[in-house]
Amino acid sequence: EDQVTQSPEALRLQEGESSSLNCSYTVSGLRGLFWYRQDPGKGPEFLFTLYSAGEEKEKERLKATLTKKESFLHITAPKPEDSATYLCAVQAVQAGNNRKLIWGLGTSLAVNP
Amino acid sequence: DAGITQSPRHKVTETGTPVTLRCHQTENHRYMYWYRQDPGHGLRLIHYSYGVKDTDKGEVSDGYSVSRSKTEDFLLTLESATSSQTSVYFCAISLRTGFTYEQYFGPGTRLTVT
Repeated sequence: EDQVTQSPEALRLQEGESSSLNCSYTVSGLRGLFWYRQDPGKGPEFLFTLYSAGEEKEKERLKATLTKKESFLHITAPKPEDSATYLCAVQAVQAGNNRKLIWGLGTSLAVNP
Repeated sequence: DAGITQSPRHKVTETGTPVTLRCHQTENHRYMYWYRQDPGHGLRLIHYSYGVKDTDKGEVSDGYSVSRSKTEDFLLTLESATSSQTSVYFCAISLRTGFTYEQYFGPGTRLTVT
């Protein structure tokens, strides 16, 4: 069964304390892995797409990496404004024309000043 | 910003009443999706559409129906609302980028069924 598991469920960091969020996935044929950020009361905001093992994408203090079984979202020297829930989703090759995504439950990140 | 709006943004309704949520997009995207988001369950797909009058069920479609008579509008109807349908509802569109399809979300509708 295709599934996505994110860990930890919640993470509290001090400002400047770097860390990583994990997204492990089981899918028979990966078409793409996606990271989103969601602020309270808002819709998920797209961050990155990763296609193949070894790929990396960066945006400001965030860097996403991908292996054959998991993805990491590395947060370097976080600031309080990085506090949010980070969601991971995958699209299987078998998704075909419906383009469905399989979602993890998210990691809630709090960065204290 | 994928040009997606949702209305209403907040709604309180009584059990047994019909409710319709609207998703509107301005960029002629073919694929549109309705999700609900609940603590402990994450985002779950209710229905999706792949063109005008073309819709299909997601994983939690019971109690919901959808319609798409124009490319820009995707409506979600709760025929007879129940307390279990209290949730935050998100609409999304799908964009092809490279080898895959990214989804972009609207701001959400918070629905409370009393």
